[in-house]
Amino acid sequence: GQNIDQPTEMTATEGAIVQINCTYQTSGFNGLFWYQQHAGEAPTFLSYNVLDGLEEKGRFSSFLSRSKGYSYLLLKELQMKDSASYLCAVRVLRDDKIIFGKGTRLHILP
Amino acid sequence: DGGITQSPKYLFRKEGQNVTLSCEQNLNHDAMYWYRQDPGQGLRLIYYSQIVNDFQKGDIAEGYSVSREKKESFPLTVTSAQKNPTAFYLCASSFERGEDNEQFFGPGTRLTVL
Repeated sequence: GQNIDQPTEMTATEGAIVQINCTYQTSGFNGLFWYQQHAGEAPTFLSYNVLDGLEEKGRFSSFLSRSKGYSYLLLKELQMKDSASYLCAVRVLRDDKIIFGKGTRLHILP
Repeated sequence: DGGITQSPKYLFRKEGQNVTLSCEQNLNHDAMYWYRQDPGQGLRLIYYSQIVNDFQKGDIAEGYSVSREKKESFPLTVTSAQKNPTAFYLCASSFERGEDNEQFFGPGTRLTVL
């Protein structure tokens, strides 16, 4: 079966750093996405990792370890607007579908 | 402006009625997808289509139907057979293959069945 796990909720302080973890067990692997979703809105793309390692994009970085079935999203210099849900999603090899985790709701405190 | 549109944003229907949600994209994407999202849940795949006139069932296809007669359009019909249709429905599209195959999402349709 397909399984993607990430914490349900996290809280962090404005200006700080937070790491959101995602572990996956899927039938084949063809890439991992991170999306941001504000309440009542559509998800927006943050990052896509295919190879192991860290990819940095401004305040956001995403890390992948395929051997461990593990990824994390690192958010630096947190701002109030970063309060949102963060969705981890895996593109599986078979059928080329994208399977989403349940998302992590991040609360930013002033 | 290129993008993906869904209409309407809010939809109310009586129980037992079929309803069709529209999804249109002008991004020249090959693949299109329909997801359902319930409160506190992730996105669950209903149907997807990788080319015109072809589509596959996702994880929760029962009670739904789709068509893909044009590359730009992928309407979803929620039938009366769907036992719990009230949800937030998201349409997405992407290029079928390649490195930059992120999914672009439409704004979503919130369906409430009374």
